[in-house]
Amino acid sequence: GAVVSQHPSWVICKSGTSVKIECRSLDFQATTMFWYRQFPKQSLMLMATSNEGSKATYEQGVEKDKFLINHASLTLSTLTVTSAHPEDSSFYICSARDPGRGGETQYFGPGTRLLVL
Amino acid sequence: AQTVTQSQPEMSVQEAETVTLSCTYDTSESDYYLFWYKQPPSRQMILVIRQEAYKQQNATENRFSVNFQKAAKSFSLKISDSQLGDAAMYFCAYRQGNTPLVFGKGTRLSVIA
Repeated sequence: GAVVSQHPSWVICKSGTSVKIECRSLDFQATTMFWYRQFPKQSLMLMATSNEGSKATYEQGVEKDKFLINHASLTLSTLTVTSAHPEDSSFYICSARDPGRGGETQYFGPGTRLLVL
Repeated sequence: AQTVTQSQPEMSVQEAETVTLSCTYDTSESDYYLFWYKQPPSRQMILVIRQEAYKQQNATENRFSVNFQKAAKSFSLKISDSQLGDAAMYFCAYRQGNTPLVFGKGTRLSVIA
């Protein structure tokens, strides 16, 4: 299947700092990427849909100013957690569809564990 | 809004045996996709199998097969000859058009040696 990478895989930061997570489609161009958040032993919760060259679409209840999404190229989307607090600690996963493979299937990155102290 | 329901929070199966994970969904659409994803302890989401709603034939991928009942809005996953590496969280997911995936709450599968 298509390959999606995320960086970093693990990050620990102090409360009040900002953290940037990168999501890359390695072997295809993705006009749309998705950002999810997953709490322990729970399902994936969609945070936002990232569209290349335009503003992201956020799900209800997700703070746009807290979770900044930028999709500047067809292979890169970034999620910045601004002024992070301990409650932002979570597992963040990005996902993308490969239009070259019909776009039916979403491929997922390996995730980023964020711990805010 | 579309919803996906996995009624079995946990399941267990003996190694080499067969297990079936249940999934039902709610939609008014006629054309959509259904998926089963596996999430092992590494937490990497892995596609297990995919089904197009317009296809009557059930999808099969090696030891994994589905029982797709469109009228009943049911999409169960059967794992044959279970292996220790099959132990994971399994998520059923639905997608229609260009909308994002909608996930169920997941079923944790344990494989007993």
